[in-house]
Amino acid sequence: ETGVTQSPTHLIKTRGQQVTLRCSSQSGHNTVSWYQQALGQGPQFIFQYYREEENGRGNFPPRFSGLQFPNYSSELNVNALELDDSALYLCASSLYDPESYEQYFGPGTRLTVT
Amino acid sequence: AQTVTQSQPEMSVQEAETVTLSCTYDTSESDYYLFWYKQPPSRQMILVIRQEAYKQQNATENRFSVNFQKAAKSFSLKISDSQLGDAAMYFCAYRPGSGAGSYQLTFGKGTKLSVIP
Repeated sequence: ETGVTQSPTHLIKTRGQQVTLRCSSQSGHNTVSWYQQALGQGPQFIFQYYREEENGRGNFPPRFSGLQFPNYSSELNVNALELDDSALYLCASSLYDPESYEQYFGPGTRLTVT
Repeated sequence: AQTVTQSQPEMSVQEAETVTLSCTYDTSESDYYLFWYKQPPSRQMILVIRQEAYKQQNATENRFSVNFQKAAKSFSLKISDSQLGDAAMYFCAYRPGSGAGSYQLTFGKGTKLSVIP
């Protein structure tokens, strides 16, 4: 069984640039959620994708967008980067099943915006 | 909106001793799930234990157990026989049982646990 993987591990961008983060779901999972974890804080829900469509969204502006592909992998795109976007971005995969509520997290991507 | 509060930013425990981490939450839902996640320095969030709100019995996983007080909206984690590998950030999290947002985890700010040899 392959776990959740994310790439890259870390990256540095300049304010105003755009960034794409990638996530591969755990084998058999069809739902992907993205979270932002600022330093010293708990993760905050950005959005979730199921069947290649956004299935729910947290309090994040439209410059945060995503994609889910037929193989259930996912991308998080952030446009017009701001300094406050510096954080650890976590991807979590799960089954779309109320009885199977466990989300499996990846190791995260550390984004630094300068 | 649901909120999760962890009032202890940092805790420490002697190896082999017991420690309890506190968590309170606020929700108007009757059906929900509660979780404790561990995040070691490696950053990977690991599920420690989960509790279904409809179950009165407290969940237990080996050395980890919870004290779930639904009326008080309290969900504490007890770690028995603490080991050096238990040192990590611990996050309490909430998820509605159904409806919109039922897959959205709401996390507290975390408690940093140190284990003293």
